[in-house]
Amino acid sequence: KQEVTQIPAALSVPEGENLVLNCSFTDSAIYNLQWFRQDPGKGLTSLLLIQSSQREQTSGRLNASLDKSSGRSTLYIAASQPGDSATYLCAVMRDFGNEKLTFGTGTRLTIIP
Amino acid sequence: EPEVTQTPSHQVTQMGQEVILRCVPISNHLYFYWYRQILGQKVEFLVSFYNNEISEKSEIFDDQFSVERPDGSNFTLKIRSTKLEDSAMYFCASRPLAGDQETQYFGPGTRLLVL
Repeated sequence: KQEVTQIPAALSVPEGENLVLNCSFTDSAIYNLQWFRQDPGKGLTSLLLIQSSQREQTSGRLNASLDKSSGRSTLYIAASQPGDSATYLCAVMRDFGNEKLTFGTGTRLTIIP
Repeated sequence: EPEVTQTPSHQVTQMGQEVILRCVPISNHLYFYWYRQILGQKVEFLVSFYNNEISEKSEIFDDQFSVERPDGSNFTLKIRSTKLEDSAMYFCASRPLAGDQETQYFGPGTRLLVL
């Protein structure tokens, strides 16, 4: 059974700093991995999707990497801003025909102005 | 930009009552999902739905749960006899025709409280 873990559970950093969020998964047989953002009381917004054959994806100040063989992914946020404060979730999909996403516990990020 | 919408945003019900949670997926999407998140816990998959039938369901999705796409636009989750442990945020999601880069688009959720 796939288990997804995110460390740290919470992180506070001053505005402007670069930071890294970590995600690990126990079963390396994944189809893709996604990073989501969750604001309090809101739904989930997809940030980046990495296919199992890819090493990284970039969108603006965000860069996600994937090391499938070691079961790890990182989300790098450059030049953090107060608006980046949210909970960040990673989720893996096992197979193309197996649609369910298995989520991690999330990292609650606070950017201090 | 098209969005997944869900109603109601909050629902309070008594244990044993039936509830129906409603979702309007993005209009050209073909795959539909329900997830739930108990307070302080992970987001958990409940069910996926494609071509008017369930394609996969989790252990949580027992006989008390059902899904329906009654009119080609709405997608509903019914809980027949609610339990205290059904209290959670329920998220609907949808996805267009399969594609490598297509993510699931999530709605804002319905917060269900069972008393």
